[in-house]
Amino acid sequence: GQQLNQSPQSMFIQEGEDVSMNCTSSSIFNTWLWYKQDPGEGPVLLIALYKAGELTSNGRLTAQFGITRKDSFLNISASIPSDVGIYFCAGHPPLGIGSASGTYKYIFGTGTRLKVLA
Amino acid sequence: SAVISQKPSRDICQRGTSLTIQCQVDSQVTMMFWYRQQPGQSLTLIATANQGSEATYESGFVIDKFPISRPNLTFSTLTVSNMSPEDSSIYLCSSLAGGVIYEQFFGPGTRLTVL
Repeated sequence: GQQLNQSPQSMFIQEGEDVSMNCTSSSIFNTWLWYKQDPGEGPVLLIALYKAGELTSNGRLTAQFGITRKDSFLNISASIPSDVGIYFCAGHPPLGIGSASGTYKYIFGTGTRLKVLA
Repeated sequence: SAVISQKPSRDICQRGTSLTIQCQVDSQVTMMFWYRQQPGQSLTLIATANQGSEATYESGFVIDKFPISRPNLTFSTLTVSNMSPEDSSIYLCSSLAGGVIYEQFFGPGTRLTVL
């Protein structure tokens, strides 16, 4: 199935550094979600974005809905060891486009694996 | 937010057998989904579990192999039938909160190993 491209695929950073990752699509989306998945767990919803240009924060995390509606960005400030994990974006196209059945189905990104060096 | 539980959390099964995974949501939800995920990889949608009707399967997944039930708005099961080692994966249940804002939540996953 269709997937969103996430960049970078993986990254190693020092504790205390800021982290940036992005998610891009060839088509527009109406909604973007960002998740974090720890080993052996299901993905946990971090931030939801609903409007182009929207900037939303959740603690040290900030995500933005790109103004072209084809991308989204996630930033983590002052990283700590527990930020380790895989981060996934998920986007949903406008209803009626790419969802032939009319159901509300998100398309998931390829993931960014983050490792923090203490 | 919705809290989702899955049973079993993990299992080791023999080739040719079947396993049924249960998913329970703590509130009534509009939509429920089943995903498959190889460790370290992205999520692949298997099907949408429809309440009171047959599930809607994605390309590459068929009802005979992955029968799904959804008897009410809070519960669903996924059966992995006639298993082979290629079915070894993590199976995730998910739900959409519904309403005006659509936020999708996931269960903890079921880690399946087929010998």
